[in-house]
Amino acid sequence: SQQGEEDPQALSIQEGENATMNCSYKTSINNLQWYRQNSGRGLVHLILIRSNEREKHSGRLRVTLDTSKKSSSLLITASRAADTASYFCATVVWGKLIFGQGTELSVKP
Amino acid sequence: EADIYQTPRYLVIGTGKKITLECSQTMGHDKMYWYQQDPGMELHLIHYSYGVNSTEKGDLSSESTVSRIRTEHFPLTLESARPSHTSQYLCASSEFGQGREKLFFGSGTQLSVL
Repeated sequence: SQQGEEDPQALSIQEGENATMNCSYKTSINNLQWYRQNSGRGLVHLILIRSNEREKHSGRLRVTLDTSKKSSSLLITASRAADTASYFCATVVWGKLIFGQGTELSVKP
Repeated sequence: EADIYQTPRYLVIGTGKKITLECSQTMGHDKMYWYQQDPGMELHLIHYSYGVNSTEKGDLSSESTVSRIRTEHFPLTLESARPSHTSQYLCASSEFGQGREKLFFGSGTQLSVL
């Protein structure tokens, strides 16, 4: 089974609202990463948070990590229509990057 | 901008044909990967490589094979394509070492086997 599970599977919001996606994982990690995928394209790396970090920011993105609960969240503030995409968390398991199932975000103008 | 390239972008072929999906990167990365992505979005690791002459099978069993003769090149081959091979194939690369697993992806090859 996949290392990461994400919820919700799909999220639809209005432009300007915040979007929160959650990721849970099973094994101990050194770091957790978030990626974005526009329809039919390759994934783009957004942010990496290390196991000794609790929160990290990058522009309108905020990622939190709770290693005791084995969970992470990605917050996109003041969303835009261009943020419409699928978002994946990923963790390293035995040297391989394993992805969660993804959250499909739709931002309506 | 990621310097990793996949060709072709789209491929429609008949059952039984042999195909090779190309993947090249110009970043000098040691590690390279092939993922298969279902229509429902989930990505499955099918092959990876730590460097030249290193290839390993991923978590999802695949009838495809890979080779790594040069650092920058990681082609994937299907000897006899079947409709069950219809999928999106994503190639990626990264540096080697803990904390350096940030992946750079190509744009993908959408394969349709009729």
